[in-house]
Amino acid sequence: DSGVTQTPKHLITATGQRVTLRCSPRSGDLSVYWYQQSLDQGLQFLIQYYNGEERAKGNILERFSAQQFPDLHSELNLSSLELGDSALYFCASSVGVLTEAFFGQGTRLTVV
Amino acid sequence: AQKITQTQPGMFVQEKEAVTLDCTYDTSDQSYGLFWYKQPSSGEMIFLIYQGSYDEQNATEGRYSLNFQKARKSANLVISASQLGDSAMYFCAMREGQGAGNMLTFGGGTRLMVKP
Repeated sequence: DSGVTQTPKHLITATGQRVTLRCSPRSGDLSVYWYQQSLDQGLQFLIQYYNGEERAKGNILERFSAQQFPDLHSELNLSSLELGDSALYFCASSVGVLTEAFFGQGTRLTVV
Repeated sequence: AQKITQTQPGMFVQEKEAVTLDCTYDTSDQSYGLFWYKQPSSGEMIFLIYQGSYDEQNATEGRYSLNFQKARKSANLVISASQLGDSAMYFCAMREGQGAGNMLTFGGGTRLMVKP
């Protein structure tokens, strides 16, 4: 158990819908990262938050947004979903700049 | 340019033998970290081993060791005495010290299959 909790584990939704993925980082970790893993794109960095503030942005679509709350949990919102958004979405957390990041079990999103 | 390159899409190894998974990286930072993760078929990402750019010794964690050759910018993972449970995808990743963020950048992965 990495200590990072992601919910839900699986999500099936229709095109055009909006979903929210939730992540609770390990206790004491201030950084939260979101990644998307699809078969054709590999592991893509989406966005990072550090202590409530956005720190870095990767290949995140405008239809996607995220935030980190005062209790440090984070949510990734995906809207106007398309079939191509089907993927495994990971949240990871870390305590330092160059230390290892620990991953949650992921949310497998299927858009039908 | 790719920051992390894993040139072996798939590899087979006989149970109980050692195997080396290749990883090369590209960075102009002096301070960076290199990581290996394992992703079994169940999907979770499991942290295996870490090497800091200033570490003089190669990192080891049980049956895992990281062969760090800084001048060649390579960070190969060595798994000794392979077990059937080692069959999985393995990802090499890097974090750089400079810049606004310090996200992990991943390679494309190597699928390791252990034969009984």
